[in-house]
Amino acid sequence: GAVVSQHPSRVICKSGTSVKIECRSLDFQATTMFWYRQFPKQSLMLMATSNEGSKATYEQGVEKDKFLINHASLTLSTLTVTSAHPEDSSFYICSAREPDQPQHFGDGTRLSIL
Amino acid sequence: QKEVEQNSGPLSVPEGAIASLNCTYSDRGSQSFFWYRQYSGKSPELIMSIYSNGDKEDGRFTAQLNKASQYVSLLIRDSQPSDSATYLCAVNIPGANSKLTFGKGITLSVRP
Repeated sequence: GAVVSQHPSRVICKSGTSVKIECRSLDFQATTMFWYRQFPKQSLMLMATSNEGSKATYEQGVEKDKFLINHASLTLSTLTVTSAHPEDSSFYICSAREPDQPQHFGDGTRLSIL
Repeated sequence: QKEVEQNSGPLSVPEGAIASLNCTYSDRGSQSFFWYRQYSGKSPELIMSIYSNGDKEDGRFTAQLNKASQYVSLLIRDSQPSDSATYLCAVNIPGANSKLTFGKGITLSVRP
């Protein structure tokens, strides 16, 4: 149980492109989903928290207009990196949880901006 | 600032030994504690959760929690080369959404 699917697993694109990443909970309803970013040899950094049907809560220093999050249903959240630049290259990971349950992570998306 | 500290690593143990991974946290209001395992290039995988003081065992893994000392540890018995990974300690932040604060992780290497 508690499977989280994240797609795509890898993206390589040109600077200025917008990239959408999907996160789905396959066998449970995720009331809350989280988006993280991880640079090489560093720990996970929370970017934002999203609850179904409401606006995401962004962590300090994360630009909400650059990282658009939509959590339209209890099983799907999307992260769109708008006008991506090389410094946005990173490993983006989503997680999802039911109330009072641990977070379970998707497989991550490795984003490379040329 | 809420922090989760893990021992500086990396940690290397021989196959079959016990690996001991430690973590301290600063927020006394924390209520839920997790250990995640992350293989290189992969996303974290939940291996243990613990919510009350004492020990919790699951197979070769034992999580230990001491809220008075603000300390949580993970013991891996009979370590295997496949246990070689980075282990992340995570602590829940009480309140809305129950965000997790992660430690920087400790890299474990099990020598055959």
